[in-house]
Formats: sequence, C-alpha cells, structure tokens
Amino acid sequence: IAGITQAPTSQILAAGRRMTLRCTQDMRHNAMYWYRQDLGLGLRLIHYSNTAGTTGKGEVPDGYSVSRANTDDFPLTLASAVPSQTSVYFCASMRPLSGNTIYFGEGSWLTVV
Amino acid sequence: SQKIEQNSEALNIQEGKTATLTCNYTNYSPAYLQWYRQDPGRGPVFLLLIRENEKEKRKERLKVTFDTTLKQSLFHITASQPADSATYLCAPAARYNTDKLIFGTGTRLQVFP
Repeated sequence: IAGITQAPTSQILAAGRRMTLRCTQDMRHNAMYWYRQDLGLGLRLIHYSNTAGTTGKGEVPDGYSVSRANTDDFPLTLASAVPSQTSVYFCASMRPLSGNTIYFGEGSWLTVV
Repeated sequence: SQKIEQNSEALNIQEGKTATLTCNYTNYSPAYLQWYRQDPGRGPVFLLLIRENEKEKRKERLKVTFDTTLKQSLFHITASQPADSATYLCAPAARYNTDKLIFGTGTRLQVFP
C-alpha cells in the first residue's frame, strides 16, 4: 500500500511561473487536504476537499487553487509563484470515523526564486 | 479565533527519563484530540487519539491525558530513547468538523544518551 504519493519531491521554480503539485492516494479516503509548513508557523491548511467534486478554502488559500475530479487525486496549483510561497507542502487524507486520523504524504519542497 | 499552543522551545531530556509535552487550546470544544510525530524531512505520522470522555490513553510507552476543563492535553513518553527525538504535534478537533483539522506548531523533543 503506497498511501499518499506526492510529486515532485522538490522543485526550484522561477517567480511568475505556474506550478502544479501532484497528490495521489490509494486508500479511497473521501477527504483530502493541502498544508504548507513553515518554520515557526507550523502546518497551515491551504485547501481541502471533503469528497470528489467539492473543494473548500483553508486558512491560507490565496495564490493557490485545487481540483478534485476523482477520489484519488488532489492537485495543488500555484498560478503565478511568488517567493513567499517557498515552503514544504504536505498533502493529506483523512480516514473516516475512528477519530478521523490524518495520513500525510512525504512532502514537496518548493523554492521560488 | 481557535488557538492551539505548544511549547515552541525544544525539550531536552536524558535517555530513560519521562518526557512530558503540553498542548493547550482556546476557543475550542474538541470532541477528541490527536497527537502526531514528525521526523525531520518527513510528513507527520499519527500516534494516538483521545476522546473527550477519556481522561487517559496509553499505547506502549506513550500516555496521553485530556482535561477539557483546563483545555489541555499532556503527552508523556516514559523510558525515553534517543529514537524518540522528533517534533510532536497536537491536533484537537470538533466532532463533526472534518473540514479543517488544525495543528499546533509542535514541540521538538531531543533525547540525549
């Protein structure tokens, strides 16, 4: 079982470029999330999706967009990257019931220069 | 607004001692609280969940308490080992709030031999 797969693992991106971070899960979880993690600020929710076909904004959604065409995939797009979007991005999914445990991917390290 | 506080300063303890980490929350009435472990360069991994009607939960060398009056959870690692060195995150959650699981900034634990 792979769990959650994120790609790319790391990327250096020029400011102003468009970038899509990919996330795929094989656990058939309905809910999926994108977090960014910055030193001193912890994990901050960018966008979430409770089920395929629906998305919602988290704490820091500006500059990011998501789509959820099916259960397995939840890509995060930066339309025009800025240096403040330099961060590590974690995709996650939630196992329903049993306290809604979150499963995380291994992260995508993005540097915008 | 909802706020989660974990000690941002690293906790340094000697091997064999008990480590105690604190999670305080405000403007919350969580139905349960989760604890996660995060190693450098990795995604967080679920450890334990405690529900509002449980005072204490144990798993091997881990123990979690949950005081809804004090709005606090304590996370204990007994007989600590250098391999326990990591950052530990808490995440209180409302019963039906699967939209946004919010995490504390985490406390870094360093266990010295």
